[in-house]
Amino acid sequence: GAGVSQSPSNKVTEKGKDVELRCDPISGHTALYWYRQSLGQGLEFLIYFQGNSAPDKSGLPSDRFSAERTGGSVSTLTIQRTQQEDSAVYLCASSSTGARGQPQHFGDGTRLSIL
Amino acid sequence: GQQVMQIPQYQHVQEGEDFTTYCNSSTTLSNIQWYKQRPGGHPVFLIQLVKSGEVKKQKRLTFQFGEAKKNSSLHITATQTTDVGTYFCAGGAGSYQLTFGKGTKLSVIP
Repeated sequence: GAGVSQSPSNKVTEKGKDVELRCDPISGHTALYWYRQSLGQGLEFLIYFQGNSAPDKSGLPSDRFSAERTGGSVSTLTIQRTQQEDSAVYLCASSSTGARGQPQHFGDGTRLSIL
Repeated sequence: GQQVMQIPQYQHVQEGEDFTTYCNSSTTLSNIQWYKQRPGGHPVFLIQLVKSGEVKKQKRLTFQFGEAKKNSSLHITATQTTDVGTYFCAGGAGSYQLTFGKGTKLSVIP
């Protein structure tokens, strides 16, 4: 596709359940980022993938959060044992390389609601 | 860690008035990017500044990077209803990671 694709667009689940969020970056983009945006807040960095290098997981808020990127393309963000404070919009972005100054192209996000 | 502060948090203007949002970093930046997020949408890249004192214009939008590379501003002349949205600055410190400000939400009253 032409842009970053994320699915699902909305996810409502009960507290304690696991969720998987998917991101399909722009074809050929080697860098992929996950962010979390709470209501009225900025973008909180979660994790960064660049090619085949080890990901930068420094932004993950707890060990309930994990992410993987298979084949250097599609990425999945998994949240285990969800809590109400996990409710937010999860945004994925990709850039052509991870180099400084590359603009990030965002998907429409997944709106996660934990009941 | 690096912090990027943005003010004001909200701004309501009458259509035709000017608007400015300011971004301040706790550390010297290597580059700063600006993004716009329309209501219900995702952030969209507007521009990047890398040089000390740099000024760039995009039609009615003027972007500045401070001499010390620790602050930046976005100024919109004669706002229009299409300018509505949240404007984010994002500072880079030499690596791939950007630190986003919390954004300024602009409302334009027609």
